[in-house]
Amino acid sequence: EPEVTQTPSHQVTQMGQEVILRCVPISNHLYFYWYRQILGQKVEFLVSFYNNEISEKSEIFDDQFSVERPDGSNFTLKIRSTKLEDSAMYFCASRPGGLQFFGPGTRLTVL
Amino acid sequence: KNQVEQSPQSLIILEGKNCTLQCNYTVSPFSNLRWYKQDTGRGPVSLTIMTFSENTKSNGRYTATLDADTKQSSLHITASQLSDSASYICVVSTSTSGTYKYIFGTGTRLKVLA
Repeated sequence: EPEVTQTPSHQVTQMGQEVILRCVPISNHLYFYWYRQILGQKVEFLVSFYNNEISEKSEIFDDQFSVERPDGSNFTLKIRSTKLEDSAMYFCASRPGGLQFFGPGTRLTVL
Repeated sequence: KNQVEQSPQSLIILEGKNCTLQCNYTVSPFSNLRWYKQDTGRGPVSLTIMTFSENTKSNGRYTATLDADTKQSSLHITASQLSDSASYICVVSTSTSGTYKYIFGTGTRLKVLA
């Protein structure tokens, strides 16, 4: 069964460093999403992406964040200068139409 | 403000027992409502998705109900198993001008004991 994959599973970085989180959505899906979940808190929407552009973003998704679909299969989330409060699980999701499929997540730890 | 509230926050039950989780929402306009199961440290996995016109939907031992008038949903788990221990998240989606937004609840943490 096809699934959304994410790499790395765990990323540790120093405050101020740039990180790129990678996702490979399910191949025939058209809509892509990034979410984050701070430990013990609920999942929060970051950004949605369709037709090679951002369709919606939340107030969390500020200028430090960017997304790209560089090669038609990967979908990346870049954080330019990480802050301590960026430590969280980051989930990628994709959907063909209705149902979203989530990846296993990347745990980002900012020291 | 679009919000999704879930109750209880946590629940402990014995294996084999049934339980019901609640979700109240104030999301408008309503598009659909989903229940997800999330194991610790993993991504959410979809259990059910319900549109405005659906009152009940089942997926194995999971049965979701939706009352669009009162803006309430429930997830009933029958004959619980140890593997049901997880967080159960209610997500309501809304759509404006073709763009979907997903509002997540805080989840109910279920613990099933032997």
